[in-house]
Formats: sequence, structure tokens, C-alpha cells
Amino acid sequence: AQKITQTQPGMFVQEKEAVTLDCTYDTSDPSYGLFWYKQPSSGEMIFLIYQGSYDQQNATEGRYSLNFQKARKSANLVISASQLGDSAMYFCAMRALPNDYKLSFGAGTTVTVRA
Amino acid sequence: SAVISQKPSRDICQRGTSLTIQCQVDSQVTMMFWYRQQPGQSLTLIATANQGSEATYESGFVIDKFPISRPNLTFSTLTVSNMSPEDSSIYLCSVSPGQGYLTNEKLFFGSGTQLSVL
Repeated sequence: AQKITQTQPGMFVQEKEAVTLDCTYDTSDPSYGLFWYKQPSSGEMIFLIYQGSYDQQNATEGRYSLNFQKARKSANLVISASQLGDSAMYFCAMRALPNDYKLSFGAGTTVTVRA
Repeated sequence: SAVISQKPSRDICQRGTSLTIQCQVDSQVTMMFWYRQQPGQSLTLIATANQGSEATYESGFVIDKFPISRPNLTFSTLTVSNMSPEDSSIYLCSVSPGQGYLTNEKLFFGSGTQLSVL
């Protein structure tokens, strides 16, 4: 069984500053994938970034980077240079590799960017 | 990434009626899934839509309530049957594009259907 924990229900960040969203996980699977999704008020789920448990380097996608610490079972998302459009709910999720496609989600963190 | 179109984007329905949600992908995908997100909650997997066979449902979800079709590798529908206010949620389809171990790891979502049942 997999468990994702996001302990920050809500966060405020000033425009142009960086923000770190915490995510810890628990799994007995030897190989797994970690995801971050953004959900604006419109309801769509936007894929942001992916990290495989076998990856030696932290994943980066533009202003998004994933601080992967395997020994600590954490996969924190860092958003640099925050923009007003970054205001949304952010979900951390994971799945077992290679054949389990079911995503286990955390409770989510609401980010509000202030001008 | 795959382009996933979901229809309708939102609907308001009467108790006791049914709604069919469509999910169209711009390329053939092996795996398609349906998730539910109740208000203020995280996402829960309803079922895996299997091409050419019955869907595989998660615990707590049954075919009579959430019938699913998957006639080909680019399309699936989810029906919410005999709706009650408790079915008010966002429903999202998800796909895993690509083939093989390394290319099919990522999972992408459609734009979602916001359903309100009165």
C-alpha cells in the first residue's frame, strides 16, 4: 500500500518569490514514480513534473523542480519566481512501477500568490 | 504528452437522472482511467477502462452505478447513473500514453467534468 502525506493545507507566497511544497510518501514498492499536479479553480489537473525512484538527478521542468530525497522518502516541489497564475491547489501523487497505474494522491496544498 | 478532451466540462443534473461523460484522446493509448474528486477532497480512482473488455472497478465502485465503455484506444465514456446529490463531484479521465516501460510512466488528465446534482 502507498501513502502520500502533504502537511501544508494552505500557503501564501509573494509574487516573484520561491515556494516549497512538502510531500512525504510511504511505500514498500521497490520502484515507483512520483508526480506533482496543479489544479486551478477550473478543476482540470495539470501535470507539472515527474520523478522516477531510479532517477539519480532531481527532475526539473521550467520553474518547477522536485527535491527528491529517497532516503527520507520526500519529494518536495519547488516553484521559483512565483506568478499570480500559480495560485491553485497542488497535489503530490505516486504510483508503483512498472505495472500499477493507480495513482495515490495526497490531500493537496492550496497556494495563493500575492501581488 | 497526450491531448485529452473531456465533455461536458460541467453540468447540473436532476436527482435520478444519468449523465454520460466522454473522454477523447488525440492518440492511441493503452491505459485509460476514471477518477472522482468529491468537493474539497483528493482524487479517488473509480475504474480502469479496458479496451475490448469490461472495466476493472476499485473497491466501493460498481458497474451498475458507473458503467464505462472503451470502444477503441482513443475514446472512453463514464456514465453516472441514477444520480443523487452525493454524486456531485469533479470527474476526470486519465491516460498513460506511449508504450513500454520507460515511456508509459507518466499519467495525464483531461480537463474534468464538474457535476452538480440537485
